[in-house]
Amino acid sequence: DSGVTQTPKHLITATGQRVTLRCSPRSGDLSVYWYQQSLDQGLQFLIQYYNGEERAKGNILERFSAQQFPDLHSELNLSSLELGDSALYFCASSPTPYPGTGEQETQYFGPGTRLLVL
Amino acid sequence: DQQVKQNSPSLSVQEGRISILNCDYTNSMFDYFLWYKKYPAEGPTFLISISSIKDKNEDGRFTVFLNKSAKHLSLHIVPSQPGDSAVYFCAASANSGNTPLVFGKGTRLSVIA
Repeated sequence: DSGVTQTPKHLITATGQRVTLRCSPRSGDLSVYWYQQSLDQGLQFLIQYYNGEERAKGNILERFSAQQFPDLHSELNLSSLELGDSALYFCASSPTPYPGTGEQETQYFGPGTRLLVL
Repeated sequence: DQQVKQNSPSLSVQEGRISILNCDYTNSMFDYFLWYKKYPAEGPTFLISISSIKDKNEDGRFTVFLNKSAKHLSLHIVPSQPGDSAVYFCAASANSGNTPLVFGKGTRLSVIA
């Protein structure tokens, strides 16, 4: 157990709808990262928040948005959903703003939310 | 354009033998490399990393080798155990690990008893 929790585990919805994915980081971690893993693809970085502020942005679609709240949990909002948005969405957390420095400062991943858009 | 490539989608190895997983990268700015292991229905877990100032890093049965001139790294698992069966992702970062991780597509390792 990484200490990172994600809800819901599974989500089935229809095209055009909007969903919200939730992530609670490990206790004490200030950074939250969101990743998308589509079929046969690696993990694609979407966005990072550090202590409530957006720190880095990847290939996140304009239809997607995220935020990190004062209690450090984060939500990823996906709107106007399309079939191609079906994927595993992972949240990760780390104690520092740096995605991968030092052998002990790494990202801890949650179990993911599997989104199916029909 | 994939900056981190794992060209072998899958690999089968007998228990007790060596597993070698390969990863190539194209971005010469990458200076920190990580391997993650992923079991089904779980998120990836950190396995081992290497900085570009080193060419080898070892942690128990796991060793990562980095060849900067070839832009190639490999993960060696010796001896391989059935519990090592998982998907292994290679990831890279630039600016001393300050930029977002770029992941490969993963290699599924099956260790056969």
